[in-house]
Amino acid sequence: ELKVEQNPLFLSMQEGKNYTIYCNYSTTSDRLYWYRQDPGKSLESLFVLLSNGAVKQEGRLMASLDTKARLSTLHITAAVHDLSATYFCAVLKETSGSRLTFGEGTQLTVNP
Amino acid sequence: DTGVSQDPRHKITKRGQNVTFRCDPISEHNRLYWYRQTLGQGPEFLTYFQNEAQLEKSRLLSDRFSAERPKGSFSTLEIQRTEQGDSAMYLCASSKGLARHNEQFFGPGTRLTVL
Repeated sequence: ELKVEQNPLFLSMQEGKNYTIYCNYSTTSDRLYWYRQDPGKSLESLFVLLSNGAVKQEGRLMASLDTKARLSTLHITAAVHDLSATYFCAVLKETSGSRLTFGEGTQLTVNP
Repeated sequence: DTGVSQDPRHKITKRGQNVTFRCDPISEHNRLYWYRQTLGQGPEFLTYFQNEAQLEKSRLLSDRFSAERPKGSFSTLEIQRTEQGDSAMYLCASSKGLARHNEQFFGPGTRLTVL
């Protein structure tokens, strides 16, 4: 059974600081996704990572994928308050159908 | 894209009642998914359609749950004889399949509260 673990689950950081969220998964996968969720809202797609070594950047967020280590990271550079949200990674394995298996989420709070 | 829409956004019901939710996917998306999310957790997969065919169901989808996607457009999720444990956010997502790396776009969700 595919399992996805994120850490940390809670992250409080100051504006201007850098930090990394980690996402480990238990079996080989086909694709890895990062989503953002604001309180009471739905999920917004941030990144799709397709292959080993893939790196994608959007603004202050950068995601990378190491399929050999079964690890993805979401790096936050010079955090701002607007980045406060819950971030989920999700893994898709086509042989398990088209379902996404999500991690527990990392609740990020950026303090002024 | 007008996005994935869901209706209703909120539903409060009494235990034992039946409820039905609707999802309208992004037009031209042939895949449609239902997930359930409880507080503080990531979404959990319930079921998936490709066009009108229901191709996969999770073990979470008990006999009280049924989903349909007639004509391969909108979908409905019905819960019969609701229980308090059914209280959750029900999320619908759609995708174009492999044509766009199966990136799934989520709707705003239906929050169900069972009293």
